[in-house]
Amino acid sequence: AQTVTQSQPEMSVQEAETVTLSCTYDTSESDYYLFWYKQPPSRQMILVIRQEAYKQQNATENRFSVNFQKAAKSFSLKISDSQLGDAAMYFCAYRSARGGGADGLTFGKGTHLIIQP
Amino acid sequence: GAVVSQHPSRVICKSGTSVKIECRSLDFQATTMFWYRQFPKKSLMLMATSNEGSKATYEQGVEKDKFLINHASLTLSTLTVTSAHPEDSSFYICSARDPARQRNSPLHFGNGTRLTVT
Repeated sequence: AQTVTQSQPEMSVQEAETVTLSCTYDTSESDYYLFWYKQPPSRQMILVIRQEAYKQQNATENRFSVNFQKAAKSFSLKISDSQLGDAAMYFCAYRSARGGGADGLTFGKGTHLIIQP
Repeated sequence: GAVVSQHPSRVICKSGTSVKIECRSLDFQATTMFWYRQFPKKSLMLMATSNEGSKATYEQGVEKDKFLINHASLTLSTLTVTSAHPEDSSFYICSARDPARQRNSPLHFGNGTRLTVT
């Protein structure tokens, strides 16, 4: 079974600064997908960014980028120019590529991100 | 984009009663939907995979007789918490993926249901 580990229960960053959230995972599979989801107080799950394991290039979405190290099974999220609206719980998630997407997501325990004005 | 609607958003019920939660895919057909449970300040735990026209697949430790899942159509899956007890109080979230999209497309989540059993 796959596991996802987020070792930072809580992180705090000054507005406009950069913060990196860590995530490691364990799997015996070679083809899979990784995601970062944001969950604000409304508890809606919002996709932040995704990465295909077969792609070496790190995904980027505006102020959000990842550092994907497949050999190390590491998938960290960098948020640049942090904004107050970025405050939320952030979950790292894994999904197997087998089965055509019939597998659910395995989530880490989450990191509570605090943005200080 | 793909939208998943979940209803109700909040429900309070008395111990011993049953509660049904609906999850609908609004603009796509979902042969597979997923049900998650989230305790306060905790992560999402996959409970079961709902398969249209067949039995749901439950994760280890999830009581299938307690959490009944029905996926009778390509746009609707329901989760029924039977004979609810206070320990069933939690946040339940469904999700689905549009199979017509690329295999790397993400899951889309409903807004969740907060269940409180008194």
